[in-house]
Amino acid sequence: AQSVTQLGSHVSVSEGALVLLRCNYSSSVPPYLFWYVQYPNQGLQLLLKYTSAATLVKGINGFEAEFKKSETSFHLTKPSAHMSDAAEYFCAVKGGTGGSYIPTFGRGTSLIVHP
Amino acid sequence: DSGVTQTPKHLITATGQRVTLRCSPRSGDLSVYWYQQSLDQGLQFLIQYYNGEERAKGNILERFSAQQFPDLHSELNLSSLELGDSALYFCASAEGSGTTKTGELFFGEGSRLTVL
Repeated sequence: AQSVTQLGSHVSVSEGALVLLRCNYSSSVPPYLFWYVQYPNQGLQLLLKYTSAATLVKGINGFEAEFKKSETSFHLTKPSAHMSDAAEYFCAVKGGTGGSYIPTFGRGTSLIVHP
Repeated sequence: DSGVTQTPKHLITATGQRVTLRCSPRSGDLSVYWYQQSLDQGLQFLIQYYNGEERAKGNILERFSAQQFPDLHSELNLSSLELGDSALYFCASAEGSGTTKTGELFFGEGSRLTVL
């Protein structure tokens, strides 16, 4: 079965610092990959997605992610963290080995931003 | 605002009881997904409906059931509730059949169930 692993349940950064949230997938066949964000007391919303058109994907709020097949990774980055980025971030995968269109989500990473 | 509406937002009930969670998808979306979010299990897929028919099943307990009505709203029924059923239940909708691998899901704000 398809799976994703998010390294680190919590990541803490200072405002203005680089944000790096890690995601690795398990498929030998490149899947479609997504990052979602969940703000407190809200549902998940899409940040960005990789659908094989380009390996570097830009999303909303200054976030971007790079698909690296050799590393089976899709890490999320932002050059400069803002207080409003504090939220839970989920990596999700579709397709790949097994071919399911049902998204499988990682356990989530909570981003903490210090002033 | 995703356009997906879930009610109730909060629900507190006792063990052994039955509850119904309701979801209205985005206008035009035919596909509805239900997910359970808990601290120990993360976000787990329960079930998907497309245009009134069950399309895919995940880790849904036999005590749980769902349906999608002709007006496309969906209900998730949870019965014989146990303490471990306490969680945040999300509904999401998707465009079309919801089976495209590149398509995103649009999530509601969730229904928080507490079983005492």
